[in-house]
Amino acid sequence: KAGVTQTPRYLIKTRGQQVTLSCSPISGHRSVSWYQQTPGQGLQFLFEYFSETQRNKGNFPGRFSGRQFSNSRSEMNVSTLELGDSALYLCASSLGSGSVDTQYFGPGTRLTVL
Amino acid sequence: ILNVEQSPQSLHVQEGDSTNFTCSFPSSNFYALHWYRWETAKSPEALFVMTLNGDEKKKGRISATLNTKEGYSYLYIKGSQPEDSATYLCASRSGGSYIPTFGRGTSLIVHP
Repeated sequence: KAGVTQTPRYLIKTRGQQVTLSCSPISGHRSVSWYQQTPGQGLQFLFEYFSETQRNKGNFPGRFSGRQFSNSRSEMNVSTLELGDSALYLCASSLGSGSVDTQYFGPGTRLTVL
Repeated sequence: ILNVEQSPQSLHVQEGDSTNFTCSFPSSNFYALHWYRWETAKSPEALFVMTLNGDEKKKGRISATLNTKEGYSYLYIKGSQPEDSATYLCASRSGGSYIPTFGRGTSLIVHP
């Protein structure tokens, strides 16, 4: 079974631009969660989508948004990029059963904002 | 503010040593506690999902225990091998928050 894939793997943007990251979950998984990893803050939860609806949201500004399509693929968008948005963005997919779900992580997208 | 604390921050052991580390989390309104292993240049890999007080999970040489009343979980590695070198993360869904809150991880280096 193919794992979670994320595209692109690396991205360089400048301040003020916007960016869209993509995540394809494991086949059959209906939940996709997004995380931000920075050296200063560690791994932080951004949001979770299940059946095309945002189910949970972390404490991030509105510049961070996402969506999920009917095939469970998900995109994350960051508008008006700031230097502090430079991070590794991970997505994870799961069946969507709830808190006991095992999450399977993708390889991440490394975003650098100049 | 939810705090998930992991200790120690880093650990160096010799091959064959057994080791353990701690994850502390808010004990109220507990839903689940997750353990992950994150090797350099790879994706985080789920080790255990723990839900019940007194839960014990085992996967090969790695095991974990859970105490939801006092808000801690221990991860044990028996007979450490160099391939166990990784950062071990815990994530708690508790303290009134359903979203996972991660600790900063314990970095384990096993020397041959």
